Amino acid sequence: AQSVAQPEDQVNVAEGNPLTVKCTYSVSGNPYLFWYVQYPNRGLQFLLKYITGDNLVKGSYGFEAEFNKSQTSFHLKKPSALVSDSALYFCAVREVPANDYKLSFGAGTTVTVRA
Amino acid sequence: KAGVTQTPRYLIKTRGQQVTLSCSPISGHRSVSWYQQTPGQGLQFLFEYFSETQRNKGNFPGRFSGRQFSNSRSEMNVSTLELGDSALYLCASSLEGDTNEKLFFGSGTQLSVL
Repeated sequence: AQSVAQPEDQVNVAEGNPLTVKCTYSVSGNPYLFWYVQYPNRGLQFLLKYITGDNLVKGSYGFEAEFNKSQTSFHLKKPSALVSDSALYFCAVREVPANDYKLSFGAGTTVTVRA
Repeated sequence: KAGVTQTPRYLIKTRGQQVTLSCSPISGHRSVSWYQQTPGQGLQFLFEYFSETQRNKGNFPGRFSGRQFSNSRSEMNVSTLELGDSALYLCASSLEGDTNEKLFFGSGTQLSVL
């Protein structure tokens, strides 16, 4: 069974500082990994995904994530956070090759960037 | 191109009633999936449809059902509502529902059961 853990419920950073949101996963086979962001009263928006290839994935709004197979992690990072990055962030996994047509999401991490 | 559209945006129902939520996917997308979002449980998978066929169903009671029409629009129904059904219900679409595809989410339907 596939699962995702986001160990931090909340992350607070000052604007201009680096932002990291942690994610670890568990799958039997190989993972496809995703990050989504949710702004208040909105649905989820796709940020980036790891399928194969380069372990460092770049996505929308200046975010990037690094796939680490040995640590089963896929942490989301941004070098310099903005107040507008304040939102709820979800990590998600799909197991390959099991094609069960669903994403398994972590519980979410609330990011607050203070001015 | 229009995004995923969910209606209604808000619903208030009482226990025992039933409710139907609607989702129109992005044009050309044939896979539609539904998720329930609650503060305590996060996002839980309800079901996925492709070409009018349910391909997978999450661990929810039979009171939760859905369907997909030939134009890929989807509906989900919850019968005999319980207080615990209060949640944000999100619909997502993708081209084929393949493993490497990203999902496009609607803004959701906020259901409150009183």
